[in-house]
Amino acid sequence: AQSVTQLGSHVSVSEGALVLLRCNYSSSVPPYLFWYVQYPNQGLQLLLKYTTGATLVKGINGFEAEFKKSETSFHLTKPSAHMSDAAEYFCAVLTGGGNKLTFGTGTQLKVEL
Amino acid sequence: ETGVTQTPRHLVMGMTNKKSLKCEQHLGHNAMYWYKQSAKKPLELMFVYSLEERVENNSVPSRFSPECPNSSHLFLHLHTLQPEDSALYLCASSQFQFSDTEAFFGQGTRLTVV
Repeated sequence: AQSVTQLGSHVSVSEGALVLLRCNYSSSVPPYLFWYVQYPNQGLQLLLKYTTGATLVKGINGFEAEFKKSETSFHLTKPSAHMSDAAEYFCAVLTGGGNKLTFGTGTQLKVEL
Repeated sequence: ETGVTQTPRHLVMGMTNKKSLKCEQHLGHNAMYWYKQSAKKPLELMFVYSLEERVENNSVPSRFSPECPNSSHLFLHLHTLQPEDSALYLCASSQFQFSDTEAFFGQGTRLTVV
């Protein structure tokens, strides 16, 4: 069975600081990995995804994530936080040929002046 | 605007009421999904439709009844709900069922059961 763990339900950073949101997964087969963002009163929007190929994936709004198989991780980073990045972020895993997209519990990102 | 539209955005209903949530997409996608989002819990997949046929039902109580009349529309019929059913209900669609392509989400319906 596949699962996703997001460490830290709440993360607070200063504007301009590094953003690091952690995601670890478990999967018996090579996974597809996704990060979604949810702004208040909105649905989920895809930030980036890893399927195959390059393990460093760049997404929208300056975010990127690196797939590390040895660590079963897919952490999301952004070099410099902006106030508009305040939102909830969800990591998700889909096993190749699987029929279920499994989400983590989400991390609420707060950006302070 | 993601191309997936949900109505209504907010709904308050009594436990004896019957109501329906609507989802519409004109992205040409073949798969549509209903998710339940409750506070401090992972998104829960409720139903999956692929090419208008239900392919997954994750042990959802019968008081939730989905309907997919065509590839562009998805409904969730609600009756005799419980207060614990209060949540944000999200609809999503993708080109194919759970492929590596992007799933597009609607803005959700905030449901409150009183």
